[in-house]
Amino acid sequence: EIVMTQSPATLSVSPGERAILSCRASQSVSSNLAWYQQKPGQAPRLLIYGASTRATGIPARFSGSGSGTEFTLTISSLQSEDFGIYYCQQSQNWPPAYTFGQGTKLEIK
Amino acid sequence: EVQLVQSGAEVKKPGESLRISCKGSGYSFTSYWISWVRQMPGKGLEWMGRIDPTDSYTNYSPSFQGHVTISADKSISTAYLQWSSLKASDTAMYYCARQTATTSHYWGQGTLVTVPS
Repeated sequence: EIVMTQSPATLSVSPGERAILSCRASQSVSSNLAWYQQKPGQAPRLLIYGASTRATGIPARFSGSGSGTEFTLTISSLQSEDFGIYYCQQSQNWPPAYTFGQGTKLEIK
Repeated sequence: EVQLVQSGAEVKKPGESLRISCKGSGYSFTSYWISWVRQMPGKGLEWMGRIDPTDSYTNYSPSFQGHVTISADKSISTAYLQWSSLKASDTAMYYCARQTATTSHYWGQGTLVTVPS
């Protein structure tokens, strides 16, 4: 079973600053990595898939990078509405699994 | 517009059975898998399993195999998650999501299941 580890657990960033969130896989997942944002009381929202492709309607300030076992989500200029918990998720073909990381809580300083 | 609309919140007693639903619209229901994801109170996301609505072929996470059943009725574009005997530890929010091979692009609004101990 592939284990996804996110860091840091909590990140406090001021508006306008850059936020960098990390996700590490216990073994290579190639580019099969997605990032989701979840706000309180809401369903998760897809931000990035294929490690670096922004989902429809996602602002350009969100970018993803990495492959293999190390991945990064960067928010270039943090906006107040970007608070929430961010999850990475890997997908594997066999056995089928879509494992999530434990999440990074992004707070607006 | 792609939508996944889930059934409403449920409060059940331990040992009772339950089936919750997820109705897809705005796309060809048989063209995508449906996944179910659990979120226990104050916790993270856990993938439970998925179903191919075309033929109801399912895959389960080992953590949930044998504890829940995922099914679908393609004639009404609806997927289901069911329990035969609920436990207090099943208390959680459950989400369905439209699943490609690698990604969940669309999510339902969630169904809160509460099983008081």
